[in-house]
Amino acid sequence: DVKVTQSSRYLVKRTGEKVFLECVQDMDHENMFWYRQDPGLGLRLIYFSYDVKMKEKGDIPEGYSVSREKKERFSLILESASTNQTSMYLCASSPGTVSQFFGPGTRLTVL
Amino acid sequence: AQKVTQAQTEISVVEKEDVTLDCVYETRDTTYYLFWYKQPPSGELVFLIRRNSFDEQNEISGRYSWNFQKSTSSFNFTITASQVVDSAVYFCALSGGPFRDMRFGAGTRLTVKP
Repeated sequence: DVKVTQSSRYLVKRTGEKVFLECVQDMDHENMFWYRQDPGLGLRLIYFSYDVKMKEKGDIPEGYSVSREKKERFSLILESASTNQTSMYLCASSPGTVSQFFGPGTRLTVL
Repeated sequence: AQKVTQAQTEISVVEKEDVTLDCVYETRDTTYYLFWYKQPPSGELVFLIRRNSFDEQNEISGRYSWNFQKSTSSFNFTITASQVVDSAVYFCALSGGPFRDMRFGAGTRLTVKP
């Protein structure tokens, strides 16, 4: 089975802190994604990576950056966390044009 | 622009009832993919089905069935004889091909009461 893991299930940070959310997949997938999920809005794509060191902006990249130094790991970085970044963050991976496989999510609260 | 609408925010049924979750989509692409995902209380999205735009055959998998109608731009999901374990948030999604173009609906929260 495909396994996508995220470093934390719950995270509480303070405004202005730098936050790292880590995602690891074990199936050698080329594509990896970061979404945020908010009530009534579904999932919105933040960033996408189709190869090591490659990244593309999604719908809502402002306030976020990403890093993909190794194929299996895709990190989401909040340079200076703000309260409006309180959300559920979901990582996914995909081998191509088939379904994406999702991690369990990280619920981030910024105080 | 691509858009997915799930008009039903919440649905509550009693166990063994049939329930249909609606999904309406908008796209200008001639080739596209439609998906349904389930998000149980644990939070992890579970893939249920993928359909491409050239395959309008309805699909049945156990108690689950999907009705894809291009004429009405709909991809509805029916659960027959619902069970408490079906309680979850269900998302419909649309992709134009490259996954960066994937759009999710707002989700429908289904509660199945015993």
